[in-house]
Amino acid sequence: EVQLVESGGGMIQPGGSLRLSCAASGFTVSTSYMTWVRQAPGKGLEWVSVIYGGDNTYYADSVKGRFTISRDNSKNTVSLQMNSLRAEDTAVYYCTRAQTGTLTIWGQGTMLTVSS
Amino acid sequence: EIVMTQTPLSSPVTLGQPASISCRSSQSLVSSDGNTYLSWFHQRPGQPPRLLIYKISNRFSGVPDRFSGSGAGTDFTLKISRVEAEDVGIYYCFQGTQFPCTFGQGTKLAIK
Repeated sequence: EVQLVESGGGMIQPGGSLRLSCAASGFTVSTSYMTWVRQAPGKGLEWVSVIYGGDNTYYADSVKGRFTISRDNSKNTVSLQMNSLRAEDTAVYYCTRAQTGTLTIWGQGTMLTVSS
Repeated sequence: EIVMTQTPLSSPVTLGQPASISCRSSQSLVSSDGNTYLSWFHQRPGQPPRLLIYKISNRFSGVPDRFSGSGAGTDFTLKISRVEAEDVGIYYCFQGTQFPCTFGQGTKLAIK
C-alpha cells in the first residue's frame, strides 16, 4: 500500500529548531518528487518545499533560508529541518508525493506549534 | 509566483443540484512540455486534502464521475453535476506548472 507517515511535530519556542520526518511505503522516494505542504489553523494550504531528481530543491519565500528539505534513500524517508521558527510557522505539515504535476499522495499530517 | 484566485469563496448548494467553482491564475499554466498542471483538491474537516482532478480534466483514481474539470490557459472550472452530502468541505485549485507551486484560497461548499 502506498502510504506516507509524518512524525516529529510538537511545541517549540520561537527561534527554536525542529526536524519533521516522513516515512514512505509502497514506492521509492529517491525517484519521486517529494513535497511538504502546510496549513495554519483555520487557514488554507501553503506549498512549502520540494526535493526531486539529484537532490534538487525549491522553497517558498516564506521559509527560504530557514528550512531545509532532504531525503534518506536508505530509509526511504524525507525530512524537513526547520530553524529560526516563528509563530507564523504554526501549522499542520503534510508530506506529499508529487506526480504528473500534482500532489497524489498525502500523509495525515503532523502539527507544529511555535509559541512561548 | 503565480497567484491562484478562486470564486466564490463560499457556496451554499442544495443536495442534488449542480455546483461550480472557478479558479483563475495570474499567468498561463501551460508548461514548456505542453501540459497544463492545474488540479483540484477536496478537504473535509480534520482530514488531509484529497486529489480530485489533475491536468485540468483528468479524474484521479476513485473519484466519482459527477466531478469534472475544464478550462485552459488561465481560467479553470470545477463542476459537480449533482451535489451529495459527502461533497461538503473546502475545495482548492493548485498549479504545479511553476515553482513555487501555489494553491487557491479555497472555496467552502456547504449544504443549504
